[in-house]
Amino acid sequence: GENVEQHPSTLSVQEGDSAVIKCTYSDSASNYFPWYKQELGKRPQLIIDIRSNVGEKKDQRIAVTLNKTAKHFSLHITETQPEDSAVYFCAASTQAGTALIFGKGTTLSVSS
Amino acid sequence: DTAVSQTPKYLVTQMGNDKSIKCEQNLGHDTMYWYKQDSKKFLKIMFSYNNKELIINETVPNRFSPKSPDKAHLNLHINSLELGDSAVYFCASSQANRMNTEAFFGQGTRLTVV
Repeated sequence: GENVEQHPSTLSVQEGDSAVIKCTYSDSASNYFPWYKQELGKRPQLIIDIRSNVGEKKDQRIAVTLNKTAKHFSLHITETQPEDSAVYFCAASTQAGTALIFGKGTTLSVSS
Repeated sequence: DTAVSQTPKYLVTQMGNDKSIKCEQNLGHDTMYWYKQDSKKFLKIMFSYNNKELIINETVPNRFSPKSPDKAHLNLHINSLELGDSAVYFCASSQANRMNTEAFFGQGTRLTVV
């Protein structure tokens, strides 16, 4: 089955810096790669996603890149703010209706 | 309106008890899931269910069983609770169209077994 590796497990940056989180996946059939943000005590919520027919997607300060050949994808957050502090999860899934398989999460801390 | 709702939010119980967590979604989705989030924050899939198929993660003990009275509900029953079952359990749902879509999560149920 699918296996998703995520790095780093913790990331500390200064406000205004950029943050990059990287994930690799094992199943070449995976075609959907969402990123979720989970604030303390809250539910995971989607912040951006990318499909296998696209190499890059951007939404304001957040961007995701996908390299299908290498089976890895990355989340880029620019101009970080304290409210970006949370746990970020990458995930992958294959056909529609199959469960998302999550990476182990990255705890991002943005200090002002 | 809450899209995916779970009850209860907190559940404290003794070892050996049997308990249930309820989940309801009002998004009209046809697929629902249960995830377990342990103390290290790892989100692990337990079950996927739609009106056609139940997919069980083989690592889940058979003390755990999902029950779906209809498309909008997927409840989780746990028998003979153990200390290691303490975790946050999240219900989620998505629509199984041709393309994968976002999974919406409930607010979670923090289960503590004492």
